[in-house]
Amino acid sequence: DAKTTQPNSMESNEEEPVHLPCNHSTISGTDYIHWYRQLPSQGPEYVIHGLTSNVNNRMASLAIAEDRKSSTLILHRATLRDAAVYYCILRDPHAGNNRKLIWGLGTSLAVNP
Amino acid sequence: KAGVTQTPRYLIKTRGQQVTLSCSPISGHRSVSWYQQTPGQGLQFLFEYFSETQRNKGNFPGRFSGRQFSNSRSEMNVSTLELGDSALYLCASSLEQTNTGELFFGEGSRLTVL
Repeated sequence: DAKTTQPNSMESNEEEPVHLPCNHSTISGTDYIHWYRQLPSQGPEYVIHGLTSNVNNRMASLAIAEDRKSSTLILHRATLRDAAVYYCILRDPHAGNNRKLIWGLGTSLAVNP
Repeated sequence: KAGVTQTPRYLIKTRGQQVTLSCSPISGHRSVSWYQQTPGQGLQFLFEYFSETQRNKGNFPGRFSGRQFSNSRSEMNVSTLELGDSALYLCASSLEQTNTGELFFGEGSRLTVL
């Protein structure tokens, strides 16, 4: 089952860019890379996802390595509201009934004012 | 548009009891998945349902079960509760049948087992 590896915690200053790394060396050719974040006392919320090309949306950018074995979530200007746990997961649209979705502990991002 | 609703939000049970948690997905969503979240293990996948059929199952004992109704609402049941079952149980719904659709999470049901 595909698994991702993320640092336990990271720290940033407000209004500075943040680069959150994720390693997924066992990624398969059909796995999509998804990022979610969980604010305190809330359920996770979708941030962004991609397959091969870099992706941008209003929340963040996703940079995917050429070999797809790693990716980086980029928050261009961190705000206090971005303090959350960030999860990088792999989702396969062709997964069979026994595919297990592994989330892990994610990266806890602290943003300093 | 209403979000994912989970009930109850908080509950306390004792060891050996059973519990049933409910999840109402966003209107029109047919896929529902369940997760257990604890400080030590993080977010762990329990199972996923689509159109009343279980599509995926995580590595949890048989005491954990679930089902989905024809209106897409889902329930999960934990029998013979153990202290280690204390956790936040999260439900997520998605629109698409494939595994690439955005997941929408509820706020969770916090279970405490004494």
